[in-house]
Amino acid sequence: AQTVTQSQPEMSVQEAETVTLSCTYDTSENNYYLFWYKQPPSRQMILVIRQEAYKQQNATENRFSVNFQKAAKSFSLKISDSQLGDTAMYFCAFPPYGNKLVFGAGTILRVKS
Amino acid sequence: ETGVTQSPTHLIKTRGQQVTLRCSSQSGHNTVSWYQQALGQGPQFIFQYYREEENGRGNFPPRFSGLQFPNYSSELNVNALELDDSALYLCASSLGGGAGETQYFGPGTRLLVL
Repeated sequence: AQTVTQSQPEMSVQEAETVTLSCTYDTSENNYYLFWYKQPPSRQMILVIRQEAYKQQNATENRFSVNFQKAAKSFSLKISDSQLGDTAMYFCAFPPYGNKLVFGAGTILRVKS
Repeated sequence: ETGVTQSPTHLIKTRGQQVTLRCSSQSGHNTVSWYQQALGQGPQFIFQYYREEENGRGNFPPRFSGLQFPNYSSELNVNALELDDSALYLCASSLGGGAGETQYFGPGTRLLVL
């Protein structure tokens, strides 16, 4: 079975600091994609970042970057210079069939002022 | 460019009733996926529609059914509602159902079954 595991139910970080959210997944495929989504309290799910497994380079989107370790099946999200607006539930997601997503249980991130 | 929209925002039903949820895909997108998100959990894939045909289904019973229309909007129908059907129902659209196609989510419909 294809699974996605987020082992940190909740995290807190001070404004302007850096935080890393962890995610591991299970697959026997070689080429695939991985996603981080953010769901703020207003609930609309927003794409944060996407990684293609065949690319060696870690994806980066402004303050958001990933540490993709293919052999370890690890896909962590680093948020630099945390802002109050980053407070949200963060989901790691993996599509084992087409783009049908399997989500992790999520990590609640609270950014404190 | 119009994003994904869903209606209604909230809905209250009683056990045994039927419900229809609606989703309009983002402009240019021909694929719609539906997810169920129970409180405090990650979304679970229900099914996907690509060009009006079902293109994959998750582990949900047949009382969960759907449609996609020629304009690529979609409906999720749930018959014989159960208390456990209470959840946030998310619709997502994409340009195709290929592995690399990013899904864009709507705001969701919060369903409460009493």
